[in-house]
Amino acid sequence: EAGVVQSPRYKIIEKKQPVAFWCNPISGHNTLYWYRQNLGQGPELLIRYENEEAVDDSQLPKDRFSAERLKGVDSTLKIQPAELGDSAVYLCASSTRTSGSNEQFFGPGTRLTVL
Amino acid sequence: TQLLEQSPQFLSIQEGENLTVYCNSSSVFSSLQWYRQEPGEGPVLLVTVVTGGEVKKLKRLTFQFGDARKDSSLHITAAQPGDTGLYLCAGSGGTSYGKLTFGQGTILTVHP
Repeated sequence: EAGVVQSPRYKIIEKKQPVAFWCNPISGHNTLYWYRQNLGQGPELLIRYENEEAVDDSQLPKDRFSAERLKGVDSTLKIQPAELGDSAVYLCASSTRTSGSNEQFFGPGTRLTVL
Repeated sequence: TQLLEQSPQFLSIQEGENLTVYCNSSSVFSSLQWYRQEPGEGPVLLVTVVTGGEVKKLKRLTFQFGDARKDSSLHITAAQPGDTGLYLCAGSGGTSYGKLTFGQGTILTVHP
């Protein structure tokens, strides 16, 4: 079974430029998460989707960040315009309630560097 | 806001030594998970503890959930270089299924 797929793996941009990240969750997982992780720190939730509905976006900086999961499968996270402080690893994770546990399966992340 | 404090933040030891990582909070969690993350990869779940006082063992790793479900510990016996990585605890509250609050992590380096 394929895991969570993310692309690109690395992205280097100049400040004020836009950037987008893509995530394809594990097949059948209805819950999708976007996290931001700074170096040597724990992940911080940005947004959580149940199918196509964003059920928790309280930590998403809405002035510059946006996300979508139009068909309830894959998702994109966009930053426009990017700032120096946005440099981090952006992790996507997915989960399903059918397993009975709250295990989240993470992708390898996209490492963003804003110059 | 539920917060999880992990200690120590950094741990550098020699192969064969034992170590304990702590995860503490003032909040009660319905369950607590421990993840391990290697460089360039996402976190991978090691264990989930649900019941206060619960102890789970995974080979050389022993996980304990506090009686009050506010804290947890991870003990590694006879650490090996392959144990090197970022260890994260993550708590799940009872009101919002699927939402995890992560600690800041413990970076463990085991030298051969």
